[in-house]
Amino acid sequence: AQSVTQPDIHITVSEGASLELRCNYSYGATPYLFWYVQSPGQGLQLLLKYFSGDTLVQGIKGFEAEFKRSQSSFNLRKPSVHWSDAAEYFCAVAGAGGADGLTFGKGTHLIIQP
Amino acid sequence: KAGVTQTPRYLIKTRGQQVTLSCSPISGHRSVSWYQQTPGQGLQFLFEYFSETQRNKGNFPGRFSGRQFSNSRSEMNVSTLELGDSALYLCASSLEGGQTRPGNTIYFGEGSWLTVV
Repeated sequence: AQSVTQPDIHITVSEGASLELRCNYSYGATPYLFWYVQSPGQGLQLLLKYFSGDTLVQGIKGFEAEFKRSQSSFNLRKPSVHWSDAAEYFCAVAGAGGADGLTFGKGTHLIIQP
Repeated sequence: KAGVTQTPRYLIKTRGQQVTLSCSPISGHRSVSWYQQTPGQGLQFLFEYFSETQRNKGNFPGRFSGRQFSNSRSEMNVSTLELGDSALYLCASSLEGGQTRPGNTIYFGEGSWLTVV
């Protein structure tokens, strides 16, 4: 069965600093990978997704993620964070056919220090 | 255009009761999925409906059920509520079924907060 691990429960970053959120997945075949963001009391918003091709994926709000098959990772990055980036971030994987829906990690809570 | 709309947003139920949650997908979307979000278990897939047919189902007991209508609106029902069913229930819609089509972006609603007392 597929699984996703987000090793960091909380991350604190100063405004203007760079950000990297870690995501490791377990899946036997080529995974389809996603990053979502959830603000308090809100639903999930898709930041970016990887299906195939270029392993560096650009998303909305200045985020990017890099797929590394050898490390089973799909880390999310942003060169300079803004206070509005404070939220919960979820990495997710979908298997072929989507039979099990999206499998999410437990999330990383991002705190932005002024 | 309007996003995914879920009703009610908040509700409190008593153990043993049943509850029905509603989801209106984005206009033109034919696929609706449901997820449960709790602090302990995180986000878990419940089921997916496409063109009124359940296509996929997660690992939840039979107390959790759903359906989709001809206008793509969906409802999920939880019978014999337990304290552990307290959660945020998220609905998501997309044009086509399945999570693995590159052009098939999935949009989530804001969720229905269910508290079981």
